[in-house]
Amino acid sequence: DIQMTQSPSSLSASVGDRVTITCRASQGISNYLAWYQQRPGKVPKLLIYAASTLQSGVPSRFSGSGSGTDFTLTISSLQPEDVATYYCQNYNSAPITFGQGTPLEIK
Amino acid sequence: QVQLQESGPGLVKPSQTLSLTCTVSGGSISSGSYYWSWIRQPAGKGLEWIGRIYTSGITNYNPSLKSRVTMSVDTSKNQFSLKVSSVTAADTAVYYCARGSAQDAFDIWGQGTMVTVSS
Repeated sequence: DIQMTQSPSSLSASVGDRVTITCRASQGISNYLAWYQQRPGKVPKLLIYAASTLQSGVPSRFSGSGSGTDFTLTISSLQPEDVATYYCQNYNSAPITFGQGTPLEIK
Repeated sequence: QVQLQESGPGLVKPSQTLSLTCTVSGGSISSGSYYWSWIRQPAGKGLEWIGRIYTSGITNYNPSLKSRVTMSVDTSKNQFSLKVSSVTAADTAVYYCARGSAQDAFDIWGQGTMVTVSS
């Protein structure tokens, strides 16, 4: 199975900060990498797929990059509504696997 | 637009079988190159993929659950289903159904249904 490891394990930042979350796959997954946002008590929401493609309706302050084993989710200017847990996911080859999640809070 | 809705018992006794159905509305389950997945999330924990099914009937399961999981699809009802046998308290979680593809990942999710395993 492909293991997905996110860092940091948790994150606290101020409104307006640039925030970066990384995800490492235990083996190459090309660009079959997605990022999800899960606000407290809510359903996970797709933010980015194919490592860097922004899902329709997602604010442009979110961006993704990477290929192979190393990936990054960036929020260019953190907003209060971005408080959530963020998950990366390998979504092509089975078994599909998620990272452990990175909770993001506002300082 | 396509929407998913999970349904099934919210309480299951230990050693019994958990059964859930996901109903697809707003579009045909057979259209497009999609697969249909189940994901679960214990309270306060992360997301665990359970498995997926294509409308052809092909399935892939998480190896950690494979011996206890069965998925099926009923294209005439626009539904797909999950069964988990021999449940224990460790199977207590919110269960989500989702649409996936190799192009777009999991772009549509159901609202989730809480399943508690308890006597």
